[in-house]
Amino acid sequence: DAGVIQSPRHEVTEMGQEVTLRCKPISGHNSLFWYRQTMMRGLELLIYFNNNVPIDDSGMPEDRFSAKMPNASFSTLKIQPSEPRDSAVYFCASRLPELAGYNEQFFGPGTRLTVL
Amino acid sequence: GQQLNQSPQSMFIQEGEDVSMNCTSSSIFNTWLWYKQDPGEGPVLLIALYKAGELTSNGRLTAQFGITRKDSFLNISASIPSDVGIYFCAKKESYNTDKLIFGTGTRLQVFP
Repeated sequence: DAGVIQSPRHEVTEMGQEVTLRCKPISGHNSLFWYRQTMMRGLELLIYFNNNVPIDDSGMPEDRFSAKMPNASFSTLKIQPSEPRDSAVYFCASRLPELAGYNEQFFGPGTRLTVL
Repeated sequence: GQQLNQSPQSMFIQEGEDVSMNCTSSSIFNTWLWYKQDPGEGPVLLIALYKAGELTSNGRLTAQFGITRKDSFLNISASIPSDVGIYFCAKKESYNTDKLIFGTGTRLQVFP
């Protein structure tokens, strides 16, 4: 089975440009998470969806960031306009429905974003 | 907000040595998770702990959920070069959310 798929793996763009990051969760997983990792702030959750519905977007830095999950197999994270401080590695993770206790989040390989 | 402090920040050890790292929280909760991140990859779950005092092993890895529910440790025995990476602890922000809070990470380097 394929794991979480993210594209692109690397993105270099200029300040002010729109950036769209894509994620395909593992088939059958109903929760999807977007994380950002930087040296200064570590790994932090931006937003997560359950059954395609955004549940908690309190980690989204500001209005320039938006995320959508139009169906169970696809999600996007968009930054418009991008700024140099958005440079980071963005991870997508997915998880099975939580039946009892905790279910493991499976992380994708990440997208390394550089905004010049 | 909640913080998870990990120590040490980094470790440089020789192959074959044992490693110990820990994680402390300012608040209590019911789940501790230990992840490993290889260079250029996403984190992978190593061990999950659900009860205070619980001790769980996964091969050469052993983790314990502290009795106070505010700390956890991870031990790696007989380290090998592929143990290199960053180790993160994590916990749920609260019982009724799926949001995870990650620790600051311990970077492990193993020399042959």
